[in-house]
Amino acid sequence: DSGVTQTPKHLITATGQRVTLRCSPRSGDLSVYWYQQSLDQGLQFLIQYYNGEERAKGNILERFSAQQFPDLHSELNLSSLELGDSALYFCASSATPRPTDTQYFGPGTRLTVL
Amino acid sequence: AQTVTQSQPEMSVQEAETVTLSCTYDTSESDYYLFWYKQPPSRQMILVIRQEAYKQQNATENRFSVNFQKAAKSFSLKISDSQLGDAAMYFCAYRSWGFGNEKLTFGTGTRLTIIP
Repeated sequence: DSGVTQTPKHLITATGQRVTLRCSPRSGDLSVYWYQQSLDQGLQFLIQYYNGEERAKGNILERFSAQQFPDLHSELNLSSLELGDSALYFCASSATPRPTDTQYFGPGTRLTVL
Repeated sequence: AQTVTQSQPEMSVQEAETVTLSCTYDTSESDYYLFWYKQPPSRQMILVIRQEAYKQQNATENRFSVNFQKAAKSFSLKISDSQLGDAAMYFCAYRSWGFGNEKLTFGTGTRLTIIP
């Protein structure tokens, strides 16, 4: 158990819908990262937050957004869902963005868009 | 942009034997980190080992060790005394040293099968 929690574990929804994925980082960790794992794209970085502020963006679609709240939990919002958005979404956390701080991954949320 | 390449989609090894997984990467940076993550059937991503590019000594964690060749941009993982619990997807990952670029860039993975 990495100490990073993600809810829900599984999510099944229809095209065009909107969903919210939730992540609670390890106790004391200020930095949160979101990654997407899909069959065709592999593991890709989406976005990073540090202490409530957006710090870096990767290949995140405009239909996707995220935020980190004052209690440091983070939410990833996916809207106007398409079949291709079906994937495993990971949240990872680290104490700070320093390179010496390891990123610990949560168990992931499996999203299925029908 | 950095890229990570794992050229072995699948590997298999007899239980108790040794196996080496390959990884190459491309970067223009001189300081960076490299990682091997394991993803068992549970899908959890588990850190196996990390290597700082400025360190010449290869990292070792129990039965896991790396062969880091900076000039060749190669970072292979050796698993000794393979166990059934080692069966998983293994991902090689790169992380820049610099601030503002803390994301992990992953390879496509190698699926390791352990033969009893």
